[in-house]
Amino acid sequence: EVQLVESGGGLVKPGGSLRLSCAASGFTFSSYSMNWVRQAPGKGLEWVSSISSSSSYIYYADSVKGRFTISRDNAKNSLYLQMNSLRAEDTAVYYCASQPSAPYNWFDPWGQGTLVTVSS
Amino acid sequence: AIRITQSPSSLSASTGDRVTITCRASQGISSYLAWYQQKPGKAPKLLIYAASTLQSGVPSRFSGSGSGTDFTLTISCLQSEDFATYYCQQYYSYPPITFGPGTKVDIK
Repeated sequence: EVQLVESGGGLVKPGGSLRLSCAASGFTFSSYSMNWVRQAPGKGLEWVSSISSSSSYIYYADSVKGRFTISRDNAKNSLYLQMNSLRAEDTAVYYCASQPSAPYNWFDPWGQGTLVTVSS
Repeated sequence: AIRITQSPSSLSASTGDRVTITCRASQGISSYLAWYQQKPGKAPKLLIYAASTLQSGVPSRFSGSGSGTDFTLTISCLQSEDFATYYCQQYYSYPPITFGPGTKVDIK
């Protein structure tokens, strides 16, 4: 069964840091680009960052550029998101999602999400 | 960035109804559009990609159409399990990949 499981969310103060992880199983993780997508409480979906299968191509939304870093470890079938200088507006459920190779950049499957709350 | 709008933002419908949701892109995106369904507290689920291709396992009552700037998602005969929020997403030009604001389908 194809599965993505996020972890690492929690409560952090403004200006703090957090590292999210996404463990993949049931598919050849190293062959797929991966993404982080977030959803603020009661709001819509916002794409955050993408990383290609070999980490050659990395993209960020303007809202997180310079503060967040996406990475992956294909040997561990894992995706990461290092979040620094966190702001209240970063409060959201963070999902990891797989995608076929470009240009087929739809997202499937998705993990169950992990909640990040930025508050003093 | 390509902006995506959806209409309506919400709708009330009854089981058995035919429901249509529209998605419009701020510039042409060919057929590079996907549709997702999200239920409360759950992750989004891919329904349709390439504007009209049904994802494996998705019921055939769901269909998608359109190309360029205007797209539609149709649910031909609404079932109780279809009450959810629906999002479209363009992947023609990125970064950024952009989503529509969503359409909530609830029970009349």
